[in-house]
Amino acid sequence: NAGVTQTPKFQVLKTGQSMTLQCAQDMNHNSMYWYRQDPGMGLRLIYYSASEGTTDKGEVPNGYNVSRLNKREFSLRLESAAPSQTSVYFCASSEAGQGYYGYTFGSGTRLTVV
Amino acid sequence: RKEVEQDPGPFNVPEGATVAFNCTYSNSASQSFFWYRQDCRKEPKLLMSVYSSGNEDGRFTAQLNRASQYISLLIRDSKLSDSATYLCVVNRDFNKFYFGSGTKLNVKP
Repeated sequence: NAGVTQTPKFQVLKTGQSMTLQCAQDMNHNSMYWYRQDPGMGLRLIYYSASEGTTDKGEVPNGYNVSRLNKREFSLRLESAAPSQTSVYFCASSEAGQGYYGYTFGSGTRLTVV
Repeated sequence: RKEVEQDPGPFNVPEGATVAFNCTYSNSASQSFFWYRQDCRKEPKLLMSVYSSGNEDGRFTAQLNRASQYISLLIRDSKLSDSATYLCVVNRDFNKFYFGSGTKLNVKP
């Protein structure tokens, strides 16, 4: 089925470890996003990529890096994980760059940092 | 102050009831407005966009009040399958979308 695929679905890290969350979309969307969702906080934008070759910081970028590998793929890297990064991470893509047509979200990655 | 605020609920209603949620936003420059639905431990999914004149999609009606800076979602004839968390989303700048923390709805038989 067409959509946004995220891997892994679950991950437990120790403080200080690094990891990369992978995201791929097959809808030929230009824009891709990484959000985190914490209880009572709503979804908060970490980084986004308006188009292939560009990335920009969102609301909460500290502790993260991203790579827009090609039009399909947008990865999120935690260089040195901290317990405060325990969250559910969602990747999303949109057609028009402004989300007018709505985001399509991946199924999420549940990350626990101990 | 949060960009988008919602009553977290939960709203507990019987099947067939009509229920309404409101959402307020803080920045008058906000341009686009949406309602998303999120089932437990799932990803958010677009329910409907909200247009200035108000819009309807089946049992769902969305309204925008720019003067008072709020949007609303009305669900008529609630179904058990409507049980979910409803997220209010506003867009102000290019690629900047702000999500509310959601309103939880429980529809009871």
